[in-house]
Formats: sequence, C-alpha cells, structure tokens
Amino acid sequence: DAGVTQSPTHLIKTRGQQVTLRCSPKSGHDTVSWYQQALGQGPQFIFQYYEEEERQRGNFPDRFSGHQFPNYSSELNVNALLLGDSALYLCASSLGGVDEKLFFGSGTQLSVL
Amino acid sequence: EDQVTQSPEALRLQEGESSSLNCSYTVSGLRGLFWYRQDPGKGPEFLFTLYSAGEEKEKERLKATLTKKESFLHITAPKPEDSATYLCAVQSPSGNTPLVFGKGTRLSVIA
Repeated sequence: DAGVTQSPTHLIKTRGQQVTLRCSPKSGHDTVSWYQQALGQGPQFIFQYYEEEERQRGNFPDRFSGHQFPNYSSELNVNALLLGDSALYLCASSLGGVDEKLFFGSGTQLSVL
Repeated sequence: EDQVTQSPEALRLQEGESSSLNCSYTVSGLRGLFWYRQDPGKGPEFLFTLYSAGEEKEKERLKATLTKKESFLHITAPKPEDSATYLCAVQSPSGNTPLVFGKGTRLSVIA
C-alpha cells in the first residue's frame, strides 16, 4: 500500500522563479493538504483540496496556488519566489476532508537562492 | 486564534531516563489534539489523537494524556531510536478546520 509520495525531494531555485511541487495521496484518500515547514518550526497550513476544489486556505499570499486532479493527486505552485519561501513543503492526505490522522509525505525541500 | 506552545524546545535524556513533553493549547473548543513524531528529513508520522480531558492513549514507551489546557507525552525508559522531534497539533470544531501545530520538542536519547 503506497503512502503519500512527493516529488521532487529537493529543489533549488532563484528569486523570482516559479516552482511546481507534486503529491500523490495515500491509496483510498481523496483529500490533500499542503503545509510549509520552516527550519525549527512546526508545519503551517497552506491550503486543502477536496473534490478538485480549494476548500480551506491558510494565511499565505496568492503567489501560492494549487490544483487537484480527478485521480486526487495535487500540485502546489509558487510564483515569484522569495528567499523566505525556502522550507520543507509537506503534503498530507486524509479521507473525506477530515483532518484526523493525516498521513504525510516526506516533503520537498525547496531552497531559494 | 488557535495557539499551541510546546516545551521544552529540546530535551536530552540518557537511555532509560523517563520524562514528559508538554503541549499547552488555546483553542475555541477542541475537536482533537494530535501528537506526531518527525524524524530528520521526513514528514510527520501520526502517533495519537485525544478528544476529551482525562483521555489517555499508549503506544509502546509513549503515553499521551489530555487536560482542558494541556497535553503531556510521557516517555518511559526511552531508547536511542525514540530520538526525534515530537509535534503537537490541535483542531477546533468549526467545520473542517486545519491542524495548528506547535514548534515541536526535539528529543535526543543518548545510549
């Protein structure tokens, strides 16, 4: 049973560039949430996708956008990258939009130079 | 606004030396309190969910308890493989609200 998979594992970009991160949820899960985790901090909620729509959004600017596909996989896009966007980006899946027992992927480590 | 504060930030224990991690929370009603374990370079791994004051859950050397204002993660006779960052998160009952995480406690268990 495949867990949550994320790609790529590491990424280096320069300021002003755009990036796309990808996530495949755990088999049987239909809800994907994205979190940003800065070094030494807890994960911070970016947004959640359910039934291909953004259902919840945290306190992140519009530069952060996402998408969910019919197979429940998801993408996180960040435009006009800033140095402060450097972080571990975590994808978590769950069933039916209930956050209980989130299953996390290993994350994408994004470095913005 | 929901808030979670974890203490201590870091804890160093000798193998076999039991201790507790604290998670204090402020939330407008509590739907659930969650404990996760996170190893370096990995995503958080679910440990426990607690729903009401007085509830306790155990898993191997870990035991989580909940009061109306805080939760404790007790570690009994820890082993080096218990070294990790332990994250606490809360969820309020207002719709499908996202989890709010604390900064975590970084635990090191020395053989």
